[in-house]
Amino acid sequence: AQTVTQSQPEMSVQEAETVTLSCTYDTSESDYYLFWYKQPPSRQMILVIRQEAYKQQNATENRFSVNFQKAAKSFSLKISDSQLGDAAMYFCAYRSLQSIIQGAQKLVFGQGTRLTINP
Amino acid sequence: EAGVTQSPTHLIKTRGQQATLRCSPISGHTSVYWYQQALGLGLQFLLWYDEGEERNRGNFPPRFSGRQFPNYSSELNVNALELEDSALYLCASSLARRPYSNQPQHFGDGTRLSIL
Repeated sequence: AQTVTQSQPEMSVQEAETVTLSCTYDTSESDYYLFWYKQPPSRQMILVIRQEAYKQQNATENRFSVNFQKAAKSFSLKISDSQLGDAAMYFCAYRSLQSIIQGAQKLVFGQGTRLTINP
Repeated sequence: EAGVTQSPTHLIKTRGQQATLRCSPISGHTSVYWYQQALGLGLQFLLWYDEGEERNRGNFPPRFSGRQFPNYSSELNVNALELEDSALYLCASSLARRPYSNQPQHFGDGTRLSIL
């Protein structure tokens, strides 16, 4: 079974600075998808960015980018120019391509990292 | 476009009672997923419904069950409630499953279930 580990329960960063959230995962599969979700105090889970494992190029969405190291099974999220609105719980998630073929499509989540932005 | 909606926002029950949580997916989405987010444990996959059928379930006891209606909305039922069932229950929806489909899951705001 796949597992996702976020080793940083809490992180803080000064507004306008850059912060990197760590995520590692364990899988024996070669094809899969990785996601970062953001959960602000309003509770709604919001998709921030996603990466297909077969793509070598790191995904980027505006101020959010990932550092995907497939061999190391690492998938970190970098937030540049941090803003107060970025404060939230951030979850790393894994979805097996095999499970998609078989029809499972479930997401496996890490424990989350609470990000605080200091003004 | 309306997002995933869940009701109620908060539900308070006592041990042994039964709880029903509801979810309406985004229009056009036929797949609905349920996750449990207990304090300090991250999100755990509960159930997946697609086109009215249960397709997969996580490692939860049979007291957790649900169904999906013809309009693709879904209910999660938890019987014989226990204190450990206190959690935020999140529903997500996505477009129809097909081989190689990678439609992202869109989440609702959740129902916070508190067991006294």
